[in-house]
Amino acid sequence: EAEVAQSPRYKITEKSQAVAFWCDPISGHATLYWYRQILGQGPELLVQFQDESVVDDSQLPKDRFSAERLKGVDSTLKIQPAELGDSAMYLCASNLGLGFTDTQYFGPGTRLTVL
Amino acid sequence: AQSVTQLDSQVPVFEEAPVELRCNYSSSVSVYLFWYVQYPNQGLQLLLKYLSGSTLVKGINGFEAEFNKSQTSFHLRKPSVHISDTAEYFCAVSVPGGYQKVTFGTGTKLQVIP
Repeated sequence: EAEVAQSPRYKITEKSQAVAFWCDPISGHATLYWYRQILGQGPELLVQFQDESVVDDSQLPKDRFSAERLKGVDSTLKIQPAELGDSAMYLCASNLGLGFTDTQYFGPGTRLTVL
Repeated sequence: AQSVTQLDSQVPVFEEAPVELRCNYSSSVSVYLFWYVQYPNQGLQLLLKYLSGSTLVKGINGFEAEFNKSQTSFHLRKPSVHISDTAEYFCAVSVPGGYQKVTFGTGTKLQVIP
C-alpha cells in the first residue's frame, strides 16, 4: 500500500539553528499539506500546495518558515532560525487534489525538539 | 470559518464497554465531517467520513458516527472497545468546494482499561 514518506522521524536542534523536513506524498496526489501539531492539540495547517503552487499559507510564520514543492512532487519545510516554541510534530499529508472529497493520507511525522 | 469542539480531552473506559466520543462543529454552510485516529508517535489515519446521504456512517475497526445537523454534532461510537483502541481521536471539518481546508479539533484521548 502506498504511503506518505517523511524524514527525519526525529530531529533535535538548538534554538537559532536551521532545520529542514522532507515529505514525499503518494504518487499521483496533487495536493500536499504540512501541519504542525503541538503536544496535546490537533494538527494546524501551515501550508497547502496544489501541484507546485501554494494555495493556503495563511498560518505559516513566514518570517522563519518556508516551504517549497518545486516539481509538484516532494516537498521541503524549513525553519530558520528555530525557536523553543517550534517544538512539535510536523505532519505531511496528501490527497488526490482539487474537487476530490478524498481522504487525506498522513505520513508518520517528524518530531522536532528545540533546545 | 468552520470550527470543531471536542469537549472531552480524556475518556477512560473498561475493555468491552461501549464508548462515545463527542464532537460538535460550527459552520454557516454545509460541511464534511471526519474522524481520525492517531497512535503514539504516528500520523493520523481516517476512521470514517460524512460527505452526504445517510447520517449514520460506519468506519473501520467497528467504529460508527452519526451526523446530527440540528445539534451540529458528529459523535463517534463503538459498542465494545478493545485494548488496541487506546489512542487519540480527532474530529475534523471541512467546507465542500475549493481547496477544502480541514480544521481539526483538539483531540480526545481514549484509554481502554483492562
